Amino acid sequence: EPEVTQTPSHQVTQMGQEVILRCVPISNHLYFYWYRQILGQKVEFLVSFYNNEISEKSEIFDDQFSVERPDGSNFTLKIRSTKLEDSAMYFCASSEIQGAGNTIYFGEGSWLTVV
Amino acid sequence: GNSVTQMEGPVTLSEEAFLTINCTYTATGYPSLFWYVQYPGEGLQLLLKATKADDKGSNKGFEATYRKETTSFHLEKGSVQVSDSAVYFCALRDSWGKLQFGAGTQVVVTP
Repeated sequence: EPEVTQTPSHQVTQMGQEVILRCVPISNHLYFYWYRQILGQKVEFLVSFYNNEISEKSEIFDDQFSVERPDGSNFTLKIRSTKLEDSAMYFCASSEIQGAGNTIYFGEGSWLTVV
Repeated sequence: GNSVTQMEGPVTLSEEAFLTINCTYTATGYPSLFWYVQYPGEGLQLLLKATKADDKGSNKGFEATYRKETTSFHLEKGSVQVSDSAVYFCALRDSWGKLQFGAGTQVVVTP
């Protein structure tokens, strides 16, 4: 069964450093997402991406964050200057089409620890 | 705006007990409703979904019915197993495509 894959599974970084989290969405999917889950808290939407541009972003997704689809398969989340409060599990997700009834498939997550 | 509220955990049960996790939502329009499950150390997996009122989603012995009149999507399983220990998330997806999650409910099943 096709799946969303994410790398790295774990990353520890120093505060102020740049981090890039990578994702390979399911191959025929057109909509891509990043969510995050701070330990013990709910899963929060960060950003959605379609046709090589951001279609929606949350208040969390400030100027420190950016997303890119550098080629036909990868989808990346960059945090320019990490803060302690960026420590979280980051989930990449994708869906075939946009409609409410269509399933969003998640990767296994990238656990980011900022020290 | 849209929101999802689910019962707080942890919920601790013995094997073969009946499980219910309550979920209610607030939304405009006609959202679809989902239950995702997160097993220890793993990512989010779709458990079941329902796309319109009165639809029942089911998978692996779990069921949930989309009740528009009570704005609810409660998850049930008749006989839980130790392997069902996980965190369960109720979520809604609106026509704009974004998923919104509830806070998650941890379920612990003991032998």
